[in-house]
Amino acid sequence: AQKITQTQPGMFVQEKEAVTLDCTYDTSDQSYGLFWYKQPSSGEMIFLIYQGSYDEQNATEGRYSLNFQKARKSANLVISASQLGDSAMYFCAMRVMNTGFQKLVFGTGTRLLVSP
Amino acid sequence: DGGITQSPKYLFRKEGQNVTLSCEQNLNHDAMYWYRQDPGQGLRLIYYSQIVNDFQKGDIAEGYSVSREKKESFPLTVTSAQKNPTAFYLCASSIEGSWAKNIQYFGAGTRLSVL
Repeated sequence: AQKITQTQPGMFVQEKEAVTLDCTYDTSDQSYGLFWYKQPSSGEMIFLIYQGSYDEQNATEGRYSLNFQKARKSANLVISASQLGDSAMYFCAMRVMNTGFQKLVFGTGTRLLVSP
Repeated sequence: DGGITQSPKYLFRKEGQNVTLSCEQNLNHDAMYWYRQDPGQGLRLIYYSQIVNDFQKGDIAEGYSVSREKKESFPLTVTSAQKNPTAFYLCASSIEGSWAKNIQYFGAGTRLSVL
């Protein structure tokens, strides 16, 4: 079964510190993609970063980086220099093929709280 | 500015009533999606559409219906057959549905409650 697992319901970090949010995935596909989205209290899902299964280097987007370990089937999100505005829910998602159409499967999310 | 607009932000449904959630995008995206989010859970796919006048059921389509008469619009109707409609509904769009790096962009959501 194709599945995303996020085992941390909540994480706390102090402002300016780095934090790692865990994500493991299960798929038998050779080609897949992994995404991270941020959901603030307003509700909108905001795309953060993408990693393809054949990408040799870990993806980075500003303060966000993805620690991709293919053998372990993990795709952890690292946020450097946390800011108060980073407090939100974070969802890991995986692209799966469904009869010629690519859909996303989401994990249950991790709530991050950044304290001053 | 380009984006996805969902309305209304809050919606209340009476028992036995059908209600329609609006989703409009001006990103010129071909593919559009509807998701349902329950507390403490991730998103689950209700319906998706790759092109105008075509749509497919997702994982939890029972009790829902959609239409795609225009590229920009993908309304979702929550019918009286949906016995547990209280949830947060998110609409998304992407350039198209089969590309590898298929980034989906989301609207701000509609929160539906049952009276």
